[in-house]
Amino acid sequence: AQSVTQLGSHVSVSEGALVLLRCNYSSSVPPYLFWYVQYPNQGLQLLLKYTTGATLVKGINGFEAEFKKSETSFHLTKPSAHMSDAAEYFCAVSEGSNYKLTFGKGTLLTVNP
Amino acid sequence: NAGVTQTPKFQVLKTGQSMTLQCAQDMNHEYMSWYRQDPGMGLRLIHYSVGAGITDQGEVPNGYNVSRSTTEDFPLRLLSAAPSQTSVYFCASQPPGSPFSEQYFGPGTRLTVT
Repeated sequence: AQSVTQLGSHVSVSEGALVLLRCNYSSSVPPYLFWYVQYPNQGLQLLLKYTTGATLVKGINGFEAEFKKSETSFHLTKPSAHMSDAAEYFCAVSEGSNYKLTFGKGTLLTVNP
Repeated sequence: NAGVTQTPKFQVLKTGQSMTLQCAQDMNHEYMSWYRQDPGMGLRLIHYSVGAGITDQGEVPNGYNVSRSTTEDFPLRLLSAAPSQTSVYFCASQPPGSPFSEQYFGPGTRLTVT
């Protein structure tokens, strides 16, 4: 069965600082990995995804994530945080064959001026 | 394209009442799903459907029913609401033939059961 662990339910950074949100997964087959963002009182929207090929994936708003099979990780980074990045971020895994997504518990990102 | 729409946006129910949360999409997506979001729990899959007439249970199906009579609509029914069903409910859809494409989420329904 697939599962996702997000380390840190709340991360606080200063504006301009590096953002690092951690995600580790468990999957019995090569996984598809996703990061979604949820702004207050809204639904989720896709930031980026890894399916196959290049392990460094670039997404919207300057975010990127690197798939590391040996570490079963898919950490999300952004070099310089902006106030508008304040949101909740969810890592998710799919084993592909059945469309089912399994989400982590989420990490709330706070950006301080 | 309206995308994924959900009604109502807010609802308060008394214990034991029933109601239907509506979800519709106009993108001709075959796959649709319902999640509930609770603080510190992330999103948990309730039910999903891979096409009209086909539904299956997710991680937390108890207390909820679904049906899929058309490609566009995927309503979620609470037969006898309980306080444990207080949550934010999200509907999502996904394009056909592509398990690794993104899911498109609706704006959510915030349900309170007293």
